[in-house]
Amino acid sequence: DAGVTQSPTHLIKTRGQQVTLRCSPKSGHDTVSWYQQALGQGPQFIFQYYEEEERQRGNFPDRFSGHQFPNYSSELNVNALLLGDSALYLCASSSGGRHGDETQYFGPGTRLLVL
Amino acid sequence: GNSVTQMEGPVTLSEEAFLTINCTYTATGYPSLFWYVQYPGEGLQLLLKATKADDKGSNKGFEATYRKETTSFHLEKGSVQVSDSAVYFCALRGSGGYNKLIFGAGTRLAVHP
Repeated sequence: DAGVTQSPTHLIKTRGQQVTLRCSPKSGHDTVSWYQQALGQGPQFIFQYYEEEERQRGNFPDRFSGHQFPNYSSELNVNALLLGDSALYLCASSSGGRHGDETQYFGPGTRLLVL
Repeated sequence: GNSVTQMEGPVTLSEEAFLTINCTYTATGYPSLFWYVQYPGEGLQLLLKATKADDKGSNKGFEATYRKETTSFHLEKGSVQVSDSAVYFCALRGSGGYNKLIFGAGTRLAVHP
């Protein structure tokens, strides 16, 4: 049983560019959450997707957007990249359905470097 | 708002020493509490969890008890190994349905032979 997978593993972009990160949830999971982890810090919640809709969002600007597909996989898009967007981006999946109260399992992350 | 505070690291121990990593939280209602571990270059792995007061989560020799009276969820292990070297994150999920995880800043543990 595959766990949560993310692609790519590493990415280098320049300021002002746009990036798309991808996540496939664990089998049987229907909810995907995205987190940003800056170096030396704990992960910060970006947003959560369920039934192809964003249902909760953290304190991140509109430059951060996402999408969930019918197969429950998800994408995180970041526009107009800033140096401060350099971080490890973590995807987590869970099977909480309508209430989203099940344990979240994390993927290995995508490390983004903005130059 | 909800928040998590962890003891600062790094924590440096010799193999077979006793480990305690302190975690306290601020939350309304009855949050669920978690410990995640992050090995170098990897994502987060769930270590243990507790969903109500006085619950004890345990896994791989690690334990933590949900103490509502002291708003704490300290992580303990009786005898650490070199392979336990990693960063440990305490996290909470608020009550009320589909809530985000709120993490502490993490505590780095280094275990030497």
